[in-house]
Amino acid sequence: ELKVEQNPLFLSMQEGKNYTIYCNYSTTSDRLYWYRQDPGKSLESLFVLLSNGAVKQEGRLMASLDTKARLSTLHITAAVHDLSATYFCAVDVNGGSQGNLIFGKGTKLSVKP
Amino acid sequence: DTGVSQDPRHKITKRGQNVTFRCDPISEHNRLYWYRQTLGQGPEFLTYFQNEAQLEKSRLLSDRFSAERPKGSFSTLEIQRTEQGDSAMYLCASSLSLSQPQHFGDGTRLSIL
Repeated sequence: ELKVEQNPLFLSMQEGKNYTIYCNYSTTSDRLYWYRQDPGKSLESLFVLLSNGAVKQEGRLMASLDTKARLSTLHITAAVHDLSATYFCAVDVNGGSQGNLIFGKGTKLSVKP
Repeated sequence: DTGVSQDPRHKITKRGQNVTFRCDPISEHNRLYWYRQTLGQGPEFLTYFQNEAQLEKSRLLSDRFSAERPKGSFSTLEIQRTEQGDSAMYLCASSLSLSQPQHFGDGTRLSIL
């Protein structure tokens, strides 16, 4: 059974600091997604990582995928308050044939002035 | 692109009643997914449609749950004889292909009295 583990689950950061969120998964998959969720809102797609070594950047966020290590990272550079949210990684089940996603528990990020 | 639309936004019902939720995906998306999210957790996959065909159902989906997608357009999720444990946010998502992200609706929050 595919398991997806994120750490940390809670992260309190100072504005301007850098930090990395880790996403480990237990079986082979070549497709990994990162989503953001604000309180009371639905999920917003951030990145789709489709192959080993994939790296994508948008603003202060950069995501990478290492399929051999079964690890994805979401790096935050010079955090700002607007980045406060819960971040989920999700991995395809069934080797990516259907698109059913298994989500991690999420990392709740709080950026303080 | 009007996004994924879900109705109703909130549903409060007594235990034992039946409820039905509707999801209208993004118009050109042939893949449609239902997930359930409880407080502090990531979404859990429930079921998947490609066009009108229901191709995958989670073991989480008991016999009281049924989903349809007639004509491959909107989808409905029905829960019969609701139980306290059914209280959750029910999310619908759609996508165009496996290499594209799933776009989530705002969800239907179900509260069982």
